[in-house]
Amino acid sequence: NAGVMQNPRHLVRRRGQEARLRCSPMKGHSHVYWYRQLPEEGLKFMVYLQKENIIDESGMPKERFSAEFPKEGPSILRIQQVVRGDSAAYFCASSPPGTGGHGYTFGSGTRLTVV
Amino acid sequence: AQSVAQPEDQVNVAEGNPLTVKCTYSVSGNPYLFWYVQYPNRGLQFLLKYITGDNLVKGSYGFEAEFNKSQTSFHLKKPSALVSDSALYFCAVSSDNYGQNFVFGPGTRLSVLP
Repeated sequence: NAGVMQNPRHLVRRRGQEARLRCSPMKGHSHVYWYRQLPEEGLKFMVYLQKENIIDESGMPKERFSAEFPKEGPSILRIQQVVRGDSAAYFCASSPPGTGGHGYTFGSGTRLTVV
Repeated sequence: AQSVAQPEDQVNVAEGNPLTVKCTYSVSGNPYLFWYVQYPNRGLQFLLKYITGDNLVKGSYGFEAEFNKSQTSFHLKKPSALVSDSALYFCAVSSDNYGQNFVFGPGTRLSVLP
């Protein structure tokens, strides 16, 4: 079991470009969570998805950010027209249905740098 | 390599009693330590962190944690538990403050009984 796979590990974008961050959950996990970590802060929750459904997006910025978790393929966090303030580490986690705690696994993160 | 252990899968405590959720860590260099809470059907929420300074760190919702370097521990505590504190609690460690080497513990489920 390869664990939660995030790619790319590092992503550099110029201001105004689009950033796509991918997260492949662990086998058998149907719940995906995205988090952002900014310098001097801890992880901040962004969005919680199940297959083809957004369950909780209370942490997503209202504009430019979107997330999906299609029936097939990885979950995608998409940031349009990136700005310098979007530079951060973005973490994905997955869990199987009906568990938490010991079923909760984080990926290694994608570090986005906007230049 | 960094690691975090939360030795208890489950902690039960009566409302009004003090609670402790245990966390031990292993990291090379100075540790950056965090506690997060997850309520049902919600993402993780930040509770508190230790970067440097006082060993006793105060955080959200009346929680605090004590950094003990000799025991490599960072236990989460609250003097008087509430039923609404029932949730999953995650301890995390990083060797920097930028999340490059963030490692989370497996989580501890806290149940506060009325």
